[in-house]
Amino acid sequence: DSGVTQTPKHLITATGQRVTLRCSPRSGDLSVYWYQQSLDQGLQFLIQYYNGEERAKGNILERFSAQQFPDLHSELNLSSLELGDSALYFCASSAETSGGAYAYEQYFGPGTRLTVT
Amino acid sequence: AQKVTQAQTEISVVEKEDVTLDCVYETRDTTYYLFWYKQPPSGELVFLIRRNSFDEQNEISGRYSWNFQKSTSSFNFTITASQVVDSAVYFCALSEGPPGAGSYQLTFGKGTKLSVIP
Repeated sequence: DSGVTQTPKHLITATGQRVTLRCSPRSGDLSVYWYQQSLDQGLQFLIQYYNGEERAKGNILERFSAQQFPDLHSELNLSSLELGDSALYFCASSAETSGGAYAYEQYFGPGTRLTVT
Repeated sequence: AQKVTQAQTEISVVEKEDVTLDCVYETRDTTYYLFWYKQPPSGELVFLIRRNSFDEQNEISGRYSWNFQKSTSSFNFTITASQVVDSAVYFCALSEGPPGAGSYQLTFGKGTKLSVIP
């Protein structure tokens, strides 16, 4: 058990809908990363939050957005869903500190499997 | 831009054989970090190891060992005396950034699917 929790585990929805994925990082971790895993694109970085602020953006579509709340949990919002958004969405947390010297390992949650029909 | 290549898509070995998973990376940064993750059939991603670019020491952990060679930009992973429980997809990953960068997103390879046959 990595200590990172994600809900829901599975989500089935229709095209055009909007969903919210939730992530709680490991206790004490301020940094949260979101990744998408699909068969054709592999594992791709979407976005990172650190202590409530967006820190980095990767290949995240404009239809997708995220936020991190004061209690450090994070939500990934996916809207106007398309069939191609079907994937496994992971969040990961890390013990990085602001201005810290090194990268730290990222611990991944169990993922949310999104199926768009 | 950074890139990670895992040329072996799938490998099958018989239990108790040794197996090496290859990873080659590309980066322009002088400070970078290399990782291996395991994804068993249940789907979660399990952290195995992190290596910093300034630390070329090889590492052994039980049946697992890692060989980091900057000269060939490789970070290979060897499982000794493989077991059925080692069956999984293994991902090599890279992050970059100087100290204090504050963001170390991972760039993953495509993964190597290892099947250990009893």
